[in-house]
Amino acid sequence: SQQGEEDPQALSIQEGENATMNCSYKTSINNLQWYRQNSGRGLVHLILIRSNEREKHSGRLRVTLDTSKKSSSLLITASRAADTASYFCATDALSSYKLIFGSGTRLLVRP
Amino acid sequence: DTAVSQTPKYLVTQMGNDKSIKCEQNLGHDTMYWYKQDSKKFLKIMFSYNNKELIINETVPNRFSPKSPDKAHLNLHINSLELGDSAVYFCASRLAGTDSAFGSGTRLTVV
Repeated sequence: SQQGEEDPQALSIQEGENATMNCSYKTSINNLQWYRQNSGRGLVHLILIRSNEREKHSGRLRVTLDTSKKSSSLLITASRAADTASYFCATDALSSYKLIFGSGTRLLVRP
Repeated sequence: DTAVSQTPKYLVTQMGNDKSIKCEQNLGHDTMYWYKQDSKKFLKIMFSYNNKELIINETVPNRFSPKSPDKAHLNLHINSLELGDSAVYFCASRLAGTDSAFGSGTRLTVV
């Protein structure tokens, strides 16, 4: 399967704590993207990191990319109850129009 | 203005029926997609069109037929609906190498 893997599958933390989600993928990529999905809603793009970048920040989000290990991580700092959602990584493969999604991490931030 | 809009949001229908889902994007993107999200939240690409041409057709039953009348529209027609077709279908669009914009999804329930 081309599906990427994310871990953990589910994560429950207290408000104010940091949340780290990991993503592994199989193919060579142009870029890797992270999306958020609130329950019953569509996906919202969070951040895109290109294959020649190692780290990227956006507000409370920090994404790392290790192409040698074919892995990425998403760190949400100082989490809030409103961060409760599912988070998906998606890889934009070389020479492909495909965006392949990981299996997702369900994050619960307890107030 | 909604960037990617798909209709209907909800669709409940009986087995054996034929139904269509419509999608329109006003972002000027040249590539559009249909994704299926199953009950386990896995997102799988079904089809991709680039400038009205079919470029990705994953292993999807022939009962599913996409149609792109122009590059701003990508519709999905499903014949002879089956129980296993119940899922949330997402339309998305993007420019190559950039992030994707997603519609809010169509929840299809086949009874």
